[in-house]
Amino acid sequence: KAGVTQTPRYLIKTRGQQVTLSCSPISGHRSVSWYQQTPGQGLQFLFEYFSETQRNKGNFPGRFSGRQFSNSRSEMNVSTLELGDSALYLCASSSGQLEGYTFGSGTRLTVV
Amino acid sequence: KQEVTQIPAALSVPEGENLVLNCSFTDSAIYNLQWFRQDPGKGLTSLLLIQSSQREQTSGRLNASLDKSSGRSTLYIAASQPGDSATYLCVVRPETSGSRLTFGEGTQLTVNP
Repeated sequence: KAGVTQTPRYLIKTRGQQVTLSCSPISGHRSVSWYQQTPGQGLQFLFEYFSETQRNKGNFPGRFSGRQFSNSRSEMNVSTLELGDSALYLCASSSGQLEGYTFGSGTRLTVV
Repeated sequence: KQEVTQIPAALSVPEGENLVLNCSFTDSAIYNLQWFRQDPGKGLTSLLLIQSSQREQTSGRLNASLDKSSGRSTLYIAASQPGDSATYLCVVRPETSGSRLTFGEGTQLTVNP
């Protein structure tokens, strides 16, 4: 079966711009989580969506937001980009609380 | 607050060696523990998932054990190959924080031909 699909794979944006990243989970997975990975901070939790509702949120500023659609696809939006937002953004999906997570290949965002 | 520690941080071995990667976590209230590998600039690839009620899982040359009461897990790689070179991450799913996974810092493995 198809894995978790993230688009685009690479993005270059200018400071102050906004960006939207997309994640399509494995078919049947209703939980979608987003993580930011940087060399200095490692993997940090952004938020989780389940059945179109944000169920959990990490410690990121309000510039980071997300949503989930009825087909479980999720988008993450970052407004007013800063240089420090440059990172690999990973999406993961799961079918349930006791199940493991499957990660996508990530979106590499570079802010210049 | 759950913390996950992985030892060693880096490991370099010749091809063919058997090796053990260690992971410890501070809070035993977990749903499961997952081992991932990550190649540079890529996403995380799941290797093994161990439920809290299980003691070990095996897949091919990989074997992972879990001792929940002592907060430890090991990943055993048999007959290592250069293609095993990657960063290995230990990830726990705590009962108390729902979906928020806790990641170790990883072990960077290099297998030399």
